[in-house]
This record gives sequence, C-alpha cells and structure tokens, in this order.
Amino acid sequence: KNEVEQSPQNLTAQEGEFITINCSYSVGISALHWLQQHPGGGIVSLFMLSSGKKKHGRLIATINIQEKHSSLHITASHPRDSAVYICAVRGGGATNKLIFGTGTLLAVQP
Amino acid sequence: NAGVTQTPKFRILKIGQSMTLQCTQDMNHNYMYWYRQDPGMGLKLIYYSVGAGITDKGEVPNGYNVSRSTTEDFPLRLELAAPSQTSVYFCASRPRAGREQYFGPGTRLTVT
Repeated sequence: KNEVEQSPQNLTAQEGEFITINCSYSVGISALHWLQQHPGGGIVSLFMLSSGKKKHGRLIATINIQEKHSSLHITASHPRDSAVYICAVRGGGATNKLIFGTGTLLAVQP
Repeated sequence: NAGVTQTPKFRILKIGQSMTLQCTQDMNHNYMYWYRQDPGMGLKLIYYSVGAGITDKGEVPNGYNVSRSTTEDFPLRLELAAPSQTSVYFCASRPRAGREQYFGPGTRLTVT
C-alpha cells in the first residue's frame, strides 16, 4: 500500500462545477503539499499546509491531521484548471524529503 | 530570477551510453533534489543535497551519480544507460527546511 493515496485517479468535470480531490496518508508528517502539473510537465507548488485550511483564489486546501487526510477543492472550475494535481507529504528531519501520491488527472470540459 | 533550469529538455540515448542532466538554480537555495517520474507512479527521489559538497541517496539511486561543487549546480550523471532509466527527470530546490520546493521544467529521457 502506498504511503500517500489520492482519489479519484481521474476526474472529468463540467465548467463551473465544484471539484474535490482527496489525499490520505499513513505516515507521520510535518507538512502536506499540493502541486499542479500541466500538460507539458512543469510542476508548480499550490499549497503547503500543516493544519487547518488555506485559500488562494478559487483553490482551497484543508487538512485533518488526526484523520491523516487532506482535500483540495476547486470552486467554479474552468478548463484552464485541467491538470494533474499531486499530493505530497513531508516527513520530519532536516532533509525534508517528500513522499508523493500518484496524482489526480483533472479534465474540465467547457 | 530564472528559478530552476534544466538542460536538455529532451534526449534519446542508446543503451550503454552516458550523459549528464544539468540543473541550476539562481535562488541561493541550500537544498536540491533529483526526482524521476514514471507513468502512473508518484515522483521518486533519486539523490538530494543539503548544501555544496554534501549529497546523499534517495529511494532509487542505482545507476545514477551526483555532485554538488557549488550552491547553484546539481548535475545528475547517468552511466551505462538502461531502458529502465527512461523517464522524466525533475530537479527541485528549496531555500531552507520547512519551505516549499521549486521545480525545474523537467528532462524527458528515452533509452533505446
């Protein structure tokens, strides 16, 4: 079993829909990251959080440390949100190595 | 700032050839990482460095070597390329413990 599990693996939505992507992990962490990877490959960090909730524009990330679960929400989805969304957890220690989920492929249709 | 840059963007190697993937960052970050991304798999850590002159193995180091002679550069060396090394390689850097990582654009490598 992977230490970081994401669901769903694939998601198709209509423009304007509210989207939720889930991430569960089985290890102790110091922080959780949400990343976005567009077709063509570049990876961009969206959020880093260790508790509670963060919001940036139409994106909201939440984390429940006790339940070892995080969600990424996209409100009023748009075709430009189509990408792979990756959850990664950071363990302790000075090197801050990340353990990555396999990603959720989101396609938002107009 | 250019951020994290990687060269080349694409490369095709024959089995047994060697090459170096270049990674440079201009943000004065201490921490640097090399990952590989295979279809359907999460990114896997190959090697990392916590500062100039210091490197260590990640999850999947076999077949690779790194060096870190300067803060800016963290090249990844493939000796005797094998088809199993066909992948997309990402370099990343981080300013200090507890901060987000910045990724390069990736190098798509095919070994045939």
